[in-house]
Amino acid sequence: NAGVIQTPRHKVTGKGQEATLWCEPISGHSAVFWYRQTIVQGLEFLTYFRNQAPIDDSGMPKERFSAQMPNQSHSTLKIQSTQPQDSAVYLCASSLDTGGEVFFGKGTRLTVV
Amino acid sequence: GDSVTQTEGQVTVSESKSLIINCTYSATSIGYPNLFWYVRYPGEGLQLLLKVITAGQKGSSRGFEATYNKEATSFHLQKASVQESDSAVYYCALSARTGGYKVVFGSGTRLLVSP
Repeated sequence: NAGVIQTPRHKVTGKGQEATLWCEPISGHSAVFWYRQTIVQGLEFLTYFRNQAPIDDSGMPKERFSAQMPNQSHSTLKIQSTQPQDSAVYLCASSLDTGGEVFFGKGTRLTVV
Repeated sequence: GDSVTQTEGQVTVSESKSLIINCTYSATSIGYPNLFWYVRYPGEGLQLLLKVITAGQKGSSRGFEATYNKEATSFHLQKASVQESDSAVYYCALSARTGGYKVVFGSGTRLLVSP
């Protein structure tokens, strides 16, 4: 079990460019979460899928952020027209069942210059 | 919506002294949420420390304890005698049915244990 895999681990983009972050959840886990971590805001919930269906995207900035889960083995978080304030560590996590332990990936550090 | 509050951003404790990290929660669900403590040690990923899913129960792991207090809506983390290796960032979290079981985290408390 390789755990939750996130790629890339680091990404640098220029202001206004697009960034796509990838997540491979643990095999068999039905729930996939995305979080954003910053020093100021802490660990912010972004969005959540269960059995590939979007359940809650209440934390997503609506205009430029989108997330998809086209199959049970991966999810993507896309940020269009990146801005410096998007710089953060983006964490993906998965869970075997609802309400249970959540397993985190090592994160993608996004830097917008 | 559901929320978790950790009032201390950083706590410094001398080795072998006792520790308490405060956590209170607010959940709109009928019934009671599941409560968790997660920890990030330096250089490592976020991982579960302990969880309690039944109000009134206590969870424990690695010498840490937390009791689910539904009256006070609290889930404070305690340890009787900390070690330098406990230095880490600790996050309180909840997962509730009406939130679709999304996991909501507090802002985290950095624990520094001085020798």
